[in-house]
Amino acid sequence: EAQLVESGGGLVQPGGSLRLSCAASGFTFSDHYMDWVRQAPGKGLEWVGRTRRKVNSYTTEYAASVKGRFTISRDDSKNTLYLQMKSLKTEDTAVYYCARVTTTTTFPLDIWGQGTMVTVSP
Amino acid sequence: AIQLTQSPSSLSASVGDRVTITCRASQGIGSALAWYQQKSGKAPQLLIYDASSLHSGIPSRFSGSGSGTDFTLTISSLKPEDVATYYCQQFHTYPVTFGQGARLQIK
Repeated sequence: EAQLVESGGGLVQPGGSLRLSCAASGFTFSDHYMDWVRQAPGKGLEWVGRTRRKVNSYTTEYAASVKGRFTISRDDSKNTLYLQMKSLKTEDTAVYYCARVTTTTTFPLDIWGQGTMVTVSP
Repeated sequence: AIQLTQSPSSLSASVGDRVTITCRASQGIGSALAWYQQKSGKAPQLLIYDASSLHSGIPSRFSGSGSGTDFTLTISSLKPEDVATYYCQQFHTYPVTFGQGARLQIK
């Protein structure tokens, strides 16, 4: 069964850094683009960014709200996705989900992790 | 960025009712739209992709339609387990964007 498990969330002060991990199992991780999506408490879903595959040179895309502060990377040998977050702001407080991008023509997200909470507070 | 506007933002319907949620894009996105269901405290789940294709394992009472700027998610006969918030998402242009969500409750 395909599964994603996030870890690394916690409490961090404004201006601080945190790295989230997402461990994949049950599918060929290296075949898929992978996304991060976040959800602030009581709010809707916000796409954070995407990493493509090795064949696409692991290129990335980001939402404007995190560009220059967040970096998405992956280690295909460990079946793990990462989100390095720097210069954190209180508005980055959210549950962070990793999600698998399908291989259909329009790239929807078909497998999601359970999420990990990040709280940015003094 | 492409904006997605869902309507209504919240709705209440009776078991067995036909329910329709719409998603309007600020510019044309072809069929690059997906619908997700998120139950309270859980991760979202893919329902529909490519605007009208039913994801594997999703009950046939869910359906999607539309192209260009106007899209619809329909539940043909509402069940109690359909209580959730529903989101549309576009993949036509970066940044990928979500609608604000539509909260569905049972009367």
